[in-house]
Amino acid sequence: EADIYQTPRYLVIGTGKKITLECSQTMGHDKMYWYQQDPGMELHLIHYSYGVNSTEKGDLSSESTVSRIRTEHFPLTLESARPSHTSQYLCASSGRYQETQYFGPGTRLLVL
Amino acid sequence: DQQVKQNSPSLSVQEGRISILNCDYTNSMFDYFLWYKKYPAEGPTFLISISSIKDKNEDGRFTVFLNKSAKHLSLHIVPSQPGDSAVYFCAASLGEYNFNKFYFGSGTKLNVKP
Repeated sequence: EADIYQTPRYLVIGTGKKITLECSQTMGHDKMYWYQQDPGMELHLIHYSYGVNSTEKGDLSSESTVSRIRTEHFPLTLESARPSHTSQYLCASSGRYQETQYFGPGTRLLVL
Repeated sequence: DQQVKQNSPSLSVQEGRISILNCDYTNSMFDYFLWYKKYPAEGPTFLISISSIKDKNEDGRFTVFLNKSAKHLSLHIVPSQPGDSAVYFCAASLGEYNFNKFYFGSGTKLNVKP
């Protein structure tokens, strides 16, 4: 059973606010990922990290930023939320020699 | 350009029968394939995987088949149970040297009727 956590689970916020979505895992995994998913659509990779102090942008362009100061923590920040950011954000992690990614429960974001 | 496609957005099956979910991909460099199951308000959970060097992998009621020449994989669930009702995502990976980046299909919603 994977131990990966995301907070908040749901967030409704006004346009222009700064938000941080938290993601933590207790498995010591090197690699962590952020995906964005709209209803009925595929998951799109927006950020990934292969270790502390390393982050890369994914295939889907995103205005969000990420940081990886600790192995277990991979927060995602939106400096100024807009309605176009409304989506579900899923965090995942995988071990060094593992192919499988383990997902958190997700954060549903609604920007008004 | 979507590299992994699930062309059936939904599938309805009677309990006890076989469910077959399909997935097509375009990138021949994918070397690992996975199926995830997702319930509403939860994150995807890993179900079963297959390496590109195999053509079949079985785990209990779940079997994944890979046809590399057709760039097609399928998930068979036998027998189907009502608890299997969920959205199933197919994913493909470019492997360790590409940081295990996954490409997902858009999902197939399976409804198993009692």
